[in-house]
Amino acid sequence: QQKVQQSPESLIVPEGGMASLNCTSSDRNVDYFWWYRQHSGKSPKMLMSIFSNGEKEEGRFTVHLNKASLHTSLHIRDSQPSDSALYLCAASMAGNYKYVFGAGTRLKVIA
Amino acid sequence: DAGVTQTPRHEVAEKGQTIILKCEPVSGHNDLFWYRQTKIQGLELLSYFRSKSLMEDGGAFKDRFKAEMLNSSFSTLKIQPTEPKDSAVYLCASSPGAEQFFGPGTRLTVL
Repeated sequence: QQKVQQSPESLIVPEGGMASLNCTSSDRNVDYFWWYRQHSGKSPKMLMSIFSNGEKEEGRFTVHLNKASLHTSLHIRDSQPSDSALYLCAASMAGNYKYVFGAGTRLKVIA
Repeated sequence: DAGVTQTPRHEVAEKGQTIILKCEPVSGHNDLFWYRQTKIQGLELLSYFRSKSLMEDGGAFKDRFKAEMLNSSFSTLKIQPTEPKDSAVYLCASSPGAEQFFGPGTRLTVL
């Protein structure tokens, strides 16, 4: 059964610092990766998605994808206390919109 | 534009009771998902509907969990009978294809 592994489980970064989160799928049929952010007591909301090899940047957030190794990473620069949340990585296949979620990385940004 | 709505937001049940959780997807979304979220297991897929047809029923959750999609704008998740280990947040998500939009969730406590 497909698994999505995320690391680290938890991460503490100082305000203004860089946070780096990792995610790998065990299924070679995966086509798409998604990053969702879930603040405490709230539901997950999509942050970024990536479908092709390379890098995608949106503001302070950059996501990388290496399709050969099925590895994606999310980098948050100039981290803010409001970035403190659970970050969930999900993988899916083309034509099938079912996601497999990882267990998440809990990020805490301290002032 | 209304997002995904879920009712009730909180539910307390006695062991052995039957409970029904409700979800209204975003209008026009063809895909609907039910998830269970706990700190230990993370996000687990319970059911997946595409255009009201059941695509996946979550394997291990089949015996006491039953999701139905009565029409394109309403879905229910029945848990019968409830057990204390069912205590969790139940999330409904809908999708127009690709990105999933989550509802606020129902927090279920089984005593």
